[in-house]
Amino acid sequence: SQKIEQNSEALNIQEGKTATLTCNYTNYSPAYLQWYRQDPGRGPVFLLLIRENEKEKRKERLKVTFDTTLKQSLFHITASQPADSATYLCALAGSSNTGKLIFGQGTTLQVKP
Amino acid sequence: NAGVMQNPRHLVRRRGQEARLRCSPMKGHSHVYWYRQLPEEGLKFMVYLQKENIIDESGMPKERFSAEFPKEGPSILRIQQVVRGDSAAYFCASSPPSTTAHTEAFFGQGTRLTVV
Repeated sequence: SQKIEQNSEALNIQEGKTATLTCNYTNYSPAYLQWYRQDPGRGPVFLLLIRENEKEKRKERLKVTFDTTLKQSLFHITASQPADSATYLCALAGSSNTGKLIFGQGTTLQVKP
Repeated sequence: NAGVMQNPRHLVRRRGQEARLRCSPMKGHSHVYWYRQLPEEGLKFMVYLQKENIIDESGMPKERFSAEFPKEGPSILRIQQVVRGDSAAYFCASSPPSTTAHTEAFFGQGTRLTVV
C-alpha cells in the first residue's frame, strides 16, 4: 500500500542554522508533492509545491528537492528563526488527479534562540 | 476574502450522540475535502465533495459517517452514535473549480471533537 514517512522525532536546531526535513514514500508515483506548515491548534498552511519533473524549488528561505528515483523529498529552511518552529507536513497528490492529498505524519521543528 | 470557515471549533459529545461539523469553503471554491487527524498522527483523507455530489468517499468509515455539500449552505460532516475513538480534529479544505493534482488546498482551523 502507499506509504509516506517523515522523521517522527522532533528536530531541534539553533537559530540561524539550516533545518532539513525528509519525506520518503513507497508504492507511489506522484506527479506533485506539496509541503504544508501546521501550528498547534491550527489548520495546515500551504508552503510549496514541486512537480515530478522539477529537481528543486525555492521560495524565500525555503527550498524543496524532489528525487523520484530515491522516492524522496527534502525540505530546507535556511537561516532558521524561532518563528519557524512548527510541524511540517509532506503531502502527495492523489493519482486520481482530483486534488485529494495523502499526508505524512509530519515532523516537528523546534528552533532555539 | 474570508478563508475556509469551520464551526464549531470545539465540540463535546457524549457517547451515542450525533456530531455535526460544518464547513464553508472559500468564496468561489466548489471542491471540499474532509480530513481527520488523530492525536500524534497525520491527516487522513475522508471524503471529497463537489456541490451536491460525493466524488470520492474512499476514506470514510462504512458506518455512522456521512457527508454532504448541498447546493446552498455549508458542507456537513455527520457522525452518528459517536464513540470515544471518534475523538479527533476534523479539518475541511477547499479548492477552486479548476482543481487538479497541482492545486494547493486551503484548510480551515478544524473542529476538535471530544467524545466523553
